Parts: sequence; structure tokens; C-alpha cells
Amino acid sequence: SQQGEEDPQALSIQEGENATMNCSYKTSINNLQWYRQNSGRGLVHLILIRSNEREKHSGRLRVTLDTSKKSSSLLITASRAADTASYFCATDALNTDKLIFGTGTRLQVFP
Amino acid sequence: GAVVSQHPSRVICKSGTSVKIECRSLDFQATTMFWYRQFPKQSLMLMATSNEGSKATYEQGVEKDKFLINHASLTLSTLTVTSAHPEDSSFYICSAPVAGENIQYFGAGTRLSVL
Repeated sequence: SQQGEEDPQALSIQEGENATMNCSYKTSINNLQWYRQNSGRGLVHLILIRSNEREKHSGRLRVTLDTSKKSSSLLITASRAADTASYFCATDALNTDKLIFGTGTRLQVFP
Repeated sequence: GAVVSQHPSRVICKSGTSVKIECRSLDFQATTMFWYRQFPKQSLMLMATSNEGSKATYEQGVEKDKFLINHASLTLSTLTVTSAHPEDSSFYICSAPVAGENIQYFGAGTRLSVL
């Protein structure tokens, strides 16, 4: 399977703490994306980082990419209860519009 | 951002019946749409790529006669689960990329329960 791996599978933190999720993938990529999924809902795009970028910020989100290690991390700073959701990394399959999703991290933020 | 509408959000049916799920791009045209299946607490597994005006491309292991896909217009793709059985019960999600963007926009998903 080309599916990426994410760790941890589940993460529980208190509001105000930072949450870090890691993603490893298997193939060469053009870009890597992070998506969020609230329980029983569709996915929402959070951030995209291109293969020639090493770090990217968007609000409280910080994404890093290490193509030599085929890994990425998503950091959510100053977490809120509303950040409770599942987070998935997704890589593009070269020369197609397909996305290959990681296994996901379930984040629970307690108020 | 672009909006993708998926209908119905939930369906319960008897074993042996067929169920149609619709995926619409509301404010953009989508020549390609994707259909995913998701089991509880698991990731999304791509089932097929829906191509406007041509046959869908199915991923390995997905039965094309079981999961019929039709992409008759630039804003609508449908997934029909034929002769549904309890093992087809799952969460089905569609998505569509906007031309020139690398990201995908997702429908809200359809929870199918086959009794």
C-alpha cells in the first residue's frame, strides 16, 4: 500500500497546549497537504506545502516537510477545544490529481 | 472556497436494494471527481476516479459492477451501490479539485447502513 503513516494515532491534550502530528510517506511528491475531518463529516483543506518548501505557516498552524526523510509534521499552537478532530496528511500521486491519505491522527482537546 | 454538495447525508436500506449517492460541485466545474470509502476510525480509501464524459477509473480491488459511477455533467457525479449488502455499510465521501488548484474540496459524506 502507498498509504502514508501518521503518528500518533490519537492525541489528547488540554486547551492552550500545542499539538504535533507526524506523517511519513513512501513516494516522491509534488506537494503534501493536511486536511481536517470533524466526526462524521467531510474533509476540509488546511494547508499545502510544496516539495521545494521546508516550512509553512498559516495562523496557528505550522507545517514542516523533509523530503529526504519523506516526512512532514503539523503543529497546532495554543490549541482550542474546537480543534478536536481527525487530521490527515495527503500526498499527490505524481502526474495525477489523486491524493493518497495517511492513516490519520485523532486529536482531542479538553477545555 | 469552492463548495461540493453530497446527498443524501444518511441512508438506511434493505439488503439487495440499490442506493444512489450524488456529488455536486456548486460553484465550479469538475471534470474529475473522486469517491472514497471510510471505515470507522480509519483513513479514506480511494475507490474510483470519476471522469466527465468517459468511464470511471477504479482502484485495484474495487468492483466496478458493484459501485457504478456516472459523471454525466461537469457538476454532477453519482455513485450507485448496487445490490447492497451489510458489508457495504460505510461512510462514502466525494471530492473534486478545482482546475489549476492542487487541493480537493470534499462533500460532507454519506453514511450508508444496509440492514
